[in-house]
Amino acid sequence: ETGVTQTPRHLVMGMTNKKSLKCEQHLGHNAMYWYKQSAKKPLELMFVYNFKEQTENNSVPSRFSPECPNSSHLFLHLHTLQPEDSALYLCASSQFLAGGPGEQYFGPGTRLTVT
Amino acid sequence: KNQVEQSPQSLIILEGKNCTLQCNYTVSPFSNLRWYKQDTGRGPVSLTIMTFSENTKSNGRYTATLDADTKQSSLHITASQLSDSASYICVVSRTNDYKLSFGAGTTVTVRA
Repeated sequence: ETGVTQTPRHLVMGMTNKKSLKCEQHLGHNAMYWYKQSAKKPLELMFVYNFKEQTENNSVPSRFSPECPNSSHLFLHLHTLQPEDSALYLCASSQFLAGGPGEQYFGPGTRLTVT
Repeated sequence: KNQVEQSPQSLIILEGKNCTLQCNYTVSPFSNLRWYKQDTGRGPVSLTIMTFSENTKSNGRYTATLDADTKQSSLHITASQLSDSASYICVVSRTNDYKLSFGAGTTVTVRA
């Protein structure tokens, strides 16, 4: 599959579980992003990685832990989540950090439900 | 208050009809504005990008306009099709800033 892929597409987990979301980009990009999308709300930027280095942690609770082993892969480790964390989690990538004409390419997202 | 406001929040139109979505922003300094289409269960996909000097840009049946003076943009959908049912998100970039400002989106439902 080309572009940006995310697995799993759907995830239901209890508040005491530990799970991980995976994102892979096949575009040769250098920057990767995690966003949270809640119903009727704008996308919220969570984390940004540029050349594998974290450049942004947008005041995200520590129950979300990102990992970027290389420029093509991005993980979001989840533990002790709350029901309000239920949302669509989108991964995106861009050639370089966005701004200017650079476009961010989004994956299909992981629909997370916390019970 | 969000720096990108979209209206309406949702709309329903009959197949073959036209519709216009609005986006007002306060983001500054302005770099560019994109309209994204997000199908249900999918990630957003860019439809158009407009910079400060551009007033109109088309992509098939989608036409975006930009008035940088009033900080307003619109997305016009012509001769709507069932496949146009989606959420349309206005995204504004700031100069020299990788953080994007997102609107909450307008949900369009096209009915036969």
